[in-house]
Amino acid sequence: GQNIDQPTEMTATEGAIVQINCTYQTSGFNGLFWYQQHAGEAPTFLSYNVLDGLEEKGRFSSFLSRSKGYSYLLLKELQMKDSASYLCAVSGSARQLTFGSGTQLTVLP
Amino acid sequence: GAVVSQHPSRVICKSGTSVKIECRSLDFQATTMFWYRQFPKKSLMLMATSNEGSKATYEQGVEKDKFLINHASLTLSTLTVTSAHPEDSSFYICSSRRQGDEQYFGPGTRLTVT
Repeated sequence: GQNIDQPTEMTATEGAIVQINCTYQTSGFNGLFWYQQHAGEAPTFLSYNVLDGLEEKGRFSSFLSRSKGYSYLLLKELQMKDSASYLCAVSGSARQLTFGSGTQLTVLP
Repeated sequence: GAVVSQHPSRVICKSGTSVKIECRSLDFQATTMFWYRQFPKKSLMLMATSNEGSKATYEQGVEKDKFLINHASLTLSTLTVTSAHPEDSSFYICSSRRQGDEQYFGPGTRLTVT
């Protein structure tokens, strides 16, 4: 089976840096995704890691360690619009996505 | 622009009626599409994998006779919630997968059963 853990809530200040962690235990692994979801909307793709290391895309970076079953999403220069739920999702052996419970990030002025 | 569309975006129906939700892959042909449901402040839960030209694969605990999935073409999958009840009220989201692993999500359908 799949088990994905991430913190339920985080709060940070505008302009700061925040790191959202995700740990996973899966029976098969074909990559890890991070999605952003605003309330009442569908998730939007942020990043995809299948190999160990850091992937950087603008203000967002994502890291993966397959041996540790660990990933993080790093958000820099936080903006108010970054307040959202951030979902960690693992692609399993059949390439279906299993989502973590999501981390609700609140950015304060 | 949007890669996946869903229709309707919101629907309110009476208990006991059936509701059909359409999911269209706009930019590419998708042999595989997925249906998720999401309760308030909860994460997405995979309901079923929709395979073009064959039967859908349902996740454990999802009633296939209640949630009918039809994937008649490479760009369209439909989810029909039969004999809907208030507990079926939820946010239903579909996605389509291009070659590889990335999934593109539709905008979601908010179903309210009264």
